Amino acid sequence: DIQMTQSPSSLSASVGDSVTITCRASQGLTNRLAWFQQKPGKAPKSLIYAASSLQSGVPSRFSGSGSGTDFTLTISSLQPEDFATYYCQQYTAYPLNFGGGTKVELK
Amino acid sequence: EMQLVESGGGLVQPGGSLRLSCAASGLTFSDHYMAWVRQPPGTGPEWVGRIRDKTKSSTTDYAASVKGRFTISRDDSRNSLYLQMSSLKTEDTAVYYCVRELRDNSGFYYFDRWGQGTLVTVSS
Repeated sequence: DIQMTQSPSSLSASVGDSVTITCRASQGLTNRLAWFQQKPGKAPKSLIYAASSLQSGVPSRFSGSGSGTDFTLTISSLQPEDFATYYCQQYTAYPLNFGGGTKVELK
Repeated sequence: EMQLVESGGGLVQPGGSLRLSCAASGLTFSDHYMAWVRQPPGTGPEWVGRIRDKTKSSTTDYAASVKGRFTISRDDSRNSLYLQMSSLKTEDTAVYYCVRELRDNSGFYYFDRWGQGTLVTVSS
């Protein structure tokens, strides 16, 4: 199985800050990596697929990069609605595993 | 507007069975791969399984933890996806999400849109 490791597990930031979340895969994914945002009590929302392709309707302050085993999600100017938990997920091989999540909290 | 609405969750005893449904609207359901993803309380999401579209004979794949106990099916005439769960264990307790999959440029499928989820609690 491909293991997905996210870091940090949590971070504190202020509105307007730029934040970066890292996701590392135990095997190469080429670019088959997705990012999701989840707020308490809600379903995950798809943000990015193919490592860097933004889902329709997702603000441009969200961006993804990386290939192979190392990927990042960057939020360029944190907005109040961005405080949430973020998950990466690989879709290159079964089982389609998720990372452990990164909780972005208000400082 | 596209919607995926899950139903059928509830409390079931260990060893019991339950059938979840997902009603799809606002999309050409028969064109799409669909998946079930679950999320146990306080943890991250976990892939359960996938069903392909009719051009791929609606074939299925499952996570090892549910293989042989869970069955995914679809009824394209009803725009509906199903998850039949049997021999349920306490560790199957989770919110279950119905998810539409789309194909990326490399031909692999990613999770696109999620339903609101339905809670399954396995407890005596």
